[in-house]
This record gives sequence, structure tokens and C-alpha cells, in this order.
Amino acid sequence: DIQMTQSPSTLSASVGDRVTITCRASQSISTWLAWYQQKPGKAPKVLIHSASSLESGVPSRFSGSGSGTEFTLTISSLQPDDFATYYCQQHNNIFGQGTKVEIK
Amino acid sequence: EVQLVESGGSLVQPGGSLRLSCAASGFTFSRYWMSWVRQAPGKGLEWVANIKEDGSEKYYVDSVKGRFTISRDNAKNSLYLQMNSLRAEDTAIYFCAKSKDWGQGSLVTVSS
Repeated sequence: DIQMTQSPSTLSASVGDRVTITCRASQSISTWLAWYQQKPGKAPKVLIHSASSLESGVPSRFSGSGSGTEFTLTISSLQPDDFATYYCQQHNNIFGQGTKVEIK
Repeated sequence: EVQLVESGGSLVQPGGSLRLSCAASGFTFSRYWMSWVRQAPGKGLEWVANIKEDGSEKYYVDSVKGRFTISRDNAKNSLYLQMNSLRAEDTAIYFCAKSKDWGQGSLVTVSS
């Protein structure tokens, strides 16, 4: 079975910081990867699909890259609304453990 | 507008059974793979199961194989999750999902 490993598990950052989260697959998944943002008490919201395609309505400060086994989610300039937990997911399958982005 | 509305969650004793339902609207249900995803209190997201458009393929996370059954009724635009032999570790919010679209979840609590 494919495993998805995210790092870091927690990230402390300030408004305006550039933030990068990494997701590694235990075997190649091509670009079958999505990134989600989840806030407490809410359903997850998709940010990126197919590794690098920005979902409609998602701010352009979010970007995704990678293929095969290594993927990254980058927030170019962290905004107050971005403090949340982020998950990678092999499309319609396994999730990473999550990365909580906290206020520094 | 896509809508996914889960129902059927409740408090159940260990070893008991429960059936979750997800009513779909706003899209052609029969054309999409559908999934169940769960989230235990204070924990991360866990994919549970998914089912092909016509129901001919079903996949499960190892921890629920043999206990949970995913199914769908395309005529009723509905997705189901039959959960048997429930354990305390199955306690979670269960979400119905179609790729980027998610319901708000249904809480299942397994406790005596």
C-alpha cells in the first residue's frame, strides 16, 4: 500500500512569511496529488489538484509542485486566513498526516 | 451547486452496526467515484473507502476491511456506508466526498 508522509507536522510562521510543506509518497503516484486546507469544525477545502493545478477561487499565493514521489505546497506570503491544517492526498485515497500552520 | 448531505450518525455500542447515508445533488451522481473519509476527534483525515461510478469496484482502508461496506444507488443519487462490528477507534466524523466536494459530516460515536 502507498504511504503518504508529510513534513513538518507543525509549522510556526508569521504573516508575510513564505511557507513550504512537503509530501512524500512511498511509490510513484505521478501527479495524482491534491492539497487540502482544513479549519477547526469545518470540512476540508481543496486548494490544489493534480499536484499543481490551482482550484478555482483559491488565491494565487498558493502553489503546488512535484511529481512521482515528492511534492510541495507553497504559500508565497502567509495571510491571517491561512492559519489552518494542511493535508496532502493521493487522489481519492490515502492522506498525509497533516501540517498545522500556527502563528509564530 | 453540488450538495452532499450525510445522515445516520449516532451513538452505538461496541460491536454494533450503523448505516450512513449521503444524499447527493447538483451533479450527475452516476458519473463520479465517491468516497467516505473520516476524522477522529483531534486527529487527521483518514480515507475509509471509495466506489466506482457503477459500483463495480470498491476499495477500503485495511482497518475496516471485512467490517464496512460501501455501496451506492445511482437511481436515488445516494451513497451508503454499512458499518458492522464497530469499535471505539471507529469514533469519528464521517464525510462523504466527491473529489473536491465534501459534505459537512456525520458523527459516529462508539461507546458503551
